[in-house]
Amino acid sequence: DTEVTQTPKHLVMGMTNKKSLKCEQHMGHRAMYWYKQKAKKPPELMFVYSYEKLSINESVPSRFSPECPNSSLLNLHLHALQPEDSALYLCASTAQSGEAFFGQGTRLTVV
Amino acid sequence: LAKTTQPISMDSYEGQEVNITCSHNNIATNDYITWYQQFPSQGPRFIIQGYKTKVTNEVASLFIPADRKSSTLSLPRVSLSDTAVYYCLVGPGTGGFKTIFGAGTRLFVKA
Repeated sequence: DTEVTQTPKHLVMGMTNKKSLKCEQHMGHRAMYWYKQKAKKPPELMFVYSYEKLSINESVPSRFSPECPNSSLLNLHLHALQPEDSALYLCASTAQSGEAFFGQGTRLTVV
Repeated sequence: LAKTTQPISMDSYEGQEVNITCSHNNIATNDYITWYQQFPSQGPRFIIQGYKTKVTNEVASLFIPADRKSSTLSLPRVSLSDTAVYYCLVGPGTGGFKTIFGAGTRLFVKA
C-alpha cells in the first residue's frame, strides 16, 4: 500500500464551524506533513510530525490545530476559519529515502 | 535549505524531449535533488531523485553536473498528459526533512 488517503475530498464550512481533516498512511513512514496550497501557488508547509511528535510549526495560526494520534494517522482540526483559509490542504509522508508521498488533498471552502 | 530557481513556464509539442533546468547554488553536501509533478487539484507525485551525475527511471532522467549547483530534468517524448507543474526540491535525502517547494515550472504540451 503506497497511498496516503485524505478525507474528506471536499469540505464547505462556515466561519463558526469546527471540522477536522483526516490523513492516513500505512507505509510505516514516521514523518508526516500538512501543506496548504492556494490556486496557482506551490504547496506551503504548515506542520511536520516526526515520530508522532510535532517538530515543525511554520507559524500557523492557532485556528489550525494538528494532531497525530498514532504513526499512521494525522488530523488537522479547524476552528473559526476565515474565507482566506479556503485552499487545497495536502497531507504527505516521507520515506527514509526522502521521497514524499502526497494524498489527493481536501478542497476546503470557508463561507 | 537550498533555494531553487526554475523557469516559470515552458511550452512543448507532443513527442518532443523536454528539459527543465533548476538552479540551486547553495546546495549542501548532504542534499539530494528531487523532482515532483503536480496536476491541478491533485497532490504532487514523486518523479525522480538524485545526488550526482545521472539518474534514469522509467519516467525521466536527471542530470546533475559535478558542481551540483544545477540539475536538469529530462522528459523524453512528452505527451499531452505531461502538462503539469514540475517542482525541483533540494534537501537531505533521509526521511523527515522539511520539504519546501519553490515556484515550480508550468509545462504546457501542445498537440
